[in-house]
Amino acid sequence: EAQVTQNPRYLITVTGKKLTVTCSQNMNHEYMSWYRQDPGLGLRQIYYSMNVEVTDKGDVPEGYKVSRKEKRNFPLILESPSPNQTSLYFCASRGDEGRYGYTFGSGTRLTVV
Amino acid sequence: TQLLEQSPQFLSIQEGENLTVYCNSSSVFSSLQWYRQEPGEGPVLLVTVVTGGEVKKLKRLTFQFGDARKDSSLHITAAQPGDTGLYLCAGARDYKLSFGAGTTVTVRA
Repeated sequence: EAQVTQNPRYLITVTGKKLTVTCSQNMNHEYMSWYRQDPGLGLRQIYYSMNVEVTDKGDVPEGYKVSRKEKRNFPLILESPSPNQTSLYFCASRGDEGRYGYTFGSGTRLTVV
Repeated sequence: TQLLEQSPQFLSIQEGENLTVYCNSSSVFSSLQWYRQEPGEGPVLLVTVVTGGEVKKLKRLTFQFGDARKDSSLHITAAQPGDTGLYLCAGARDYKLSFGAGTTVTVRA
């Protein structure tokens, strides 16, 4: 089944403790992206990657890092999480053609206390 | 400030009624996409519209892309309780996909 897999689904952590949210897709998609979703603000893009070793900032990149060492994986790294990063995070991927839709993962609900 | 403005923010209607959700922007997009999201899940693509003035129909759902490729609408005919959910529009430009804040639709039986 074609899918984007995120782990973990739920995570509670403390301020300043580094964490990584993993994302993997099995569709051989070039393009991958991370979003956060907050009430009233919708989905905002954090980082995106056009291909292996090619990444760029989205609209809200502060406090996040990403890497794209393999085509299928695109982890999101929070080096020093803060409470304002408490949110619902989604990873998404799509093929070459921008006109095609994105496939989203099921989300990671992160709480930073 | 949202790049895409969706209206209304909330919509509650009776089963069998029609509804329309609007998505407006001052920016031009190469495509406009509509997603539906269930609680606790990721958005799922409903449709992509590419050409200005394009109209697409999926059963009871009709999607329209404005002539200038800046706005779109989603119309649901004879809504059913199964149509309940969060509807999101998203505009694509290059490698960026920007979302509206969403419209929460509730269809009462």
